Amino acid sequence: GAVVSQHPSWVICKSGTSVKIECRSLDFQATTMFWYRQFPKQSLMLMATSNEGSKATYEQGVEKDKFLINHASLTLSTLTVTSAHPEDSSFYICSARDMTTEAFFGQGTRLTVV
Amino acid sequence: DAKTTQPPSMDCAEGRAANLPCNHSTISGNEYVYWYRQIHSQGPQYIIHGLKNNETNEMASLIITEDRKSSTLILPHATLRDTAVYYCIVRAGGSQGNLIFGKGTKLSVKP
Repeated sequence: GAVVSQHPSWVICKSGTSVKIECRSLDFQATTMFWYRQFPKQSLMLMATSNEGSKATYEQGVEKDKFLINHASLTLSTLTVTSAHPEDSSFYICSARDMTTEAFFGQGTRLTVV
Repeated sequence: DAKTTQPPSMDCAEGRAANLPCNHSTISGNEYVYWYRQIHSQGPQYIIHGLKNNETNEMASLIITEDRKSSTLILPHATLRDTAVYYCIVRAGGSQGNLIFGKGTKLSVKP
């Protein structure tokens, strides 16, 4: 299947700082990318959907000013968690697809805010 | 909200077939049934999808009932590495629709 690479795999940051997570589609052009968050022992929760060159569409309850999403090219989307706090600690997962393929997922990023 | 219901957990003996059921009684005519799995602390892995015909690939088989209100994912010879949470998702085809995850089924393959 298609490859989606997410970086970093894990990150620890201090409360109040910002963290950027990258999601790349390595062997296809991703017209749409998705960002999910997963708390321990829970399912994946969709945070936002982004189409290349457009503003992201955020799910209800997700603060767009806190979770900045940029999808500037067909192979790269970034999620920036601004002014991170301990309650933002979670497993963040991206997903990408083009018009014809299924959605493929990155390996996830474990964020710990201390 | 997820449009599917799955049992929270199942056990399977190594080497035997694992049959994972999924109910999707409100599925629409243009919605596909997708299956993904998530091994602990990893991103979900695509397994298979179908519209109304049964499907088979190198990983699994998907059996969809004639009325499309339920389906079964079959892992023909389960191994310990198949232990994971399996998610059944319905989504419109093409560029429409997002993957909305329910709680899935935790499959434990035991030696």
